[in-house]
Amino acid sequence: DTAVSQTPKYLVTQMGNDKSIKCEQNLGHDTMYWYKQDSKKFLKIMFSYNNKELIINETVPNRFSPKSPDKAHLNLHINSLELGDSAVYFCASSRPGGFTEAFFGQGTRLTVV
Amino acid sequence: AQKVTQAQTEISVVEKEDVTLDCVYETRDTTYYLFWYKQPPSGELVFLIRRNSFDEQNEISGRYSWNFQKSTSSFNFTITASQVVDSAVYFCALSEARPGNQFYFGTGTSLTVIP
Repeated sequence: DTAVSQTPKYLVTQMGNDKSIKCEQNLGHDTMYWYKQDSKKFLKIMFSYNNKELIINETVPNRFSPKSPDKAHLNLHINSLELGDSAVYFCASSRPGGFTEAFFGQGTRLTVV
Repeated sequence: AQKVTQAQTEISVVEKEDVTLDCVYETRDTTYYLFWYKQPPSGELVFLIRRNSFDEQNEISGRYSWNFQKSTSSFNFTITASQVVDSAVYFCALSEARPGNQFYFGTGTSLTVIP
């Protein structure tokens, strides 16, 4: 059983398109995250949700919109994709409070052409 | 402000050598948690260890060992008798014990083990 699963694993799309990445966790965690990993491997928080409530919203363009229909899901929708959005996006989950590790999905490699 | 520094960007060692990956952190909190993750070439992020700020005992797991020193704000990771399969990017991370926490990652150290 995959603990945190993201789909798709690879996403190639043209500039200006709108795309979504789905994330589901079966660990019963209350907190979910989206991280972006750039070409230099730097991992940066984008969003954090706790029990479906948005907790962290870093300085991310408003073209990025997370949606949490329930505790087990946190999807990421991106409007009007730009070349600079090309990166690997990781979904993760953890128990709230930061005292346990985060479990990461396999990542979604987004390439905007 | 929270910050994790991994000063070593890339390290290359010959198989069977020991290697230490450095991690220095900054936080104002007295309660916090430190982690190491491994990212192999396949791309997934694999959790290796968690340490809380009240537990300074070093830990050993097989060829892996971790040295946590609050006095120097460091949480270093040593691989003994390195193997080719250890080649990966290793990330150190910090989390503070509060609602809405996030994991602050260092910039990673890319380790290459040469056969």
